[in-house]
Order: sequence, then C-alpha cells, then structure tokens
Amino acid sequence: DTAVSQTPKYLVTQMGNDKSIKCEQNLGHDTMYWYKQDSKKFLKIMFSYNNKELIINETVPNRFSPKSPDKAHLNLHINSLELGDSAVYFCASSEPGLQQYFGPGTRLTVL
Amino acid sequence: GESVGLHLPTLSVQEGDNSIINCAYSNSASDYFIWYKQESGKGPQFIIDIRSNMDKRQGQRVTVLLNKTVKHLSLQIAATQPGDSAVYFCAENSQGGKLIFGQGTELSVKP
Repeated sequence: DTAVSQTPKYLVTQMGNDKSIKCEQNLGHDTMYWYKQDSKKFLKIMFSYNNKELIINETVPNRFSPKSPDKAHLNLHINSLELGDSAVYFCASSEPGLQQYFGPGTRLTVL
Repeated sequence: GESVGLHLPTLSVQEGDNSIINCAYSNSASDYFIWYKQESGKGPQFIIDIRSNMDKRQGQRVTVLLNKTVKHLSLQIAATQPGDSAVYFCAENSQGGKLIFGQGTELSVKP
C-alpha cells in the first residue's frame, strides 16, 4: 500500500552507461516530481509533471530525460552517466500547491 | 546552488527536552511552508505545514512559527524522543508550485 514507490532502491553502474529509475504513485495526484539529493543532503528539484505534461524543468543536463506514460508514473532516464550524477534521487507527488509525498529514494552510484 | 563546503547544521538535545529548529527562507512572495523529517535511508516525510496568512500552527508535539517580517520559520518539538532523530528540512512553496528546500538540520537526541 506504498503511496510513492521507486525502483530500484540502489543502482551501481559504470560511467557512460544509460540507466532508468521508475516511479509510481497510487495517491491519484496530478503532479509528480524528481529531486536530486547530494552528499550534503541538499535537495533540489529537477523536474515536475502535471497530468503527463512537463511544467518545471530546472537547469538539468539534457542527459536527463523524464518520461510520464500516465499521470501515476514518472520515470527518469539518464544517458551517458557521469561521476557527478552520483546522488540519491527522490520521486514525489502532490496535488497542486499542497504537500508533496516522497518516495523512498534511489541511491545512484556511478563508478 | 549547492551548499558546497558547508557542513549540515546539527542540533543535539537530551531526551525529554524541547527542540527548536530554525530556517530562513528566501522569497517574500512564498505563501506556503512545510517542514519535512528525513530519517536515514528514507525519503522526506511531511510533519506540518503553514500558510502565510498564519503565524503559528500546532500539531501533535510540534509547532511551527512563521515570521514573515524577517522571513524566518521555526519548528518546535516538545519532549523530544530518540525517534525524532533525523534531518529536518523547511521548504517554501514558491510561485509555480516549486518547493525550495532549506539546507536541513540534523537533530540528534541523546537518551
């Protein structure tokens, strides 16, 4: 009965590879987000989708491409992984203007 | 940008004492503020929120105070327990629904 779920929880990969992280929410929310948390715990928004449409796109390298097949899913695909991409990535969802519910996070380690 | 070079602020309290965690926000136009708790290895969890038309809101063992004049937010936890040990983030909801997170404060509760 998890509200926001992400897979995988851990992802270890080599530089230059392409990887995806999946996110699903069963809260019926229209809006979903991706955040990146660095080693100093700083949380920064990357993308936001409302009902499958991109509404927030921070200055994220275009190697990162979110995809929303339906409003319950927002996946994050990363091309040509770099060392600096190592971080914890969180998916979240909300109704517009209300509190966001976060997933458990995906710890990405790029070697 | 990232808080490069800065350590996460820490607060250490004795079990049973009250804790006060402070936060300065940046945008005077922000109208909605949220406190999140992040335990190790988990995603941020909602604690309490407050809208800009209020200056105080109470929950169970927690109180949020908002001072718009100096753009300051505080979270008070009464009778702090070991289970309260976590990193606490304030977040402001800017225009466009984007949540901007503060740096985070690590609360450590000594038994």
